[in-house]
Amino acid sequence: GIQVEQSPPDLILQEGANSTLRCNCSDSVNNLQWFHQNPWGQLINLFYIPSGTKQNGRLSATTVATERYSLLYISSSQTTDSGVYFCAVIPNSGYALNFGKGTSLLVTP
Amino acid sequence: ETGVTQTPRHLVMGMTNKKSLKCEQHLGHNAMYWYKQSAKKPLELMFVYSLEERVENNSVPSRFSPECPNSSHLFLHLHTLQPEDSALYLCASSQDVAGRGYEQYFGPGTRLTVT
Repeated sequence: GIQVEQSPPDLILQEGANSTLRCNCSDSVNNLQWFHQNPWGQLINLFYIPSGTKQNGRLSATTVATERYSLLYISSSQTTDSGVYFCAVIPNSGYALNFGKGTSLLVTP
Repeated sequence: ETGVTQTPRHLVMGMTNKKSLKCEQHLGHNAMYWYKQSAKKPLELMFVYSLEERVENNSVPSRFSPECPNSSHLFLHLHTLQPEDSALYLCASSQDVAGRGYEQYFGPGTRLTVT
């Protein structure tokens, strides 16, 4: 199946810092989504971004479909940004989102 | 209620019990999914339904039995589970089966512990 690799696996930031999370895919990045999983397990949709760039407040994402990767930018991080960030894609054949192992982010005051 | 809801949020059951997880989506979607998230493992798909028909079954043990009575509701019936089935079970929905380009939205999950 499609391989989704996320980096870095762990990240510690001081409040106010910026960060970039990366997602590499072994195959087409159709249907690429970014999620934030909060400490209670809820997966919160951040972006549906099969290509191009989108922004939502302090978060933005860019997907370069031809090179099969996506980047998630977090600016001016806050403690509430802590949690695990997942990238997920659906292969051309199939219905399941294939998730990466996630980036675990801790933002300290 | 908005979005995707799941009940119960937490469940502890013995290996001989029978229980059911419920998912309801209020988004007018046609496709619903069950995913499993175990400790230290990526989320994995269990079942997919499109317009109440199962379209994918990912080699899931028969002790997990899904039911989709209509496009808004999805159940996961559990019986004779094993301790290794303890996990977070997440329900999701999308406008149509996601292979055709639709964003999936997730419920809050049911955290299941099998004792």
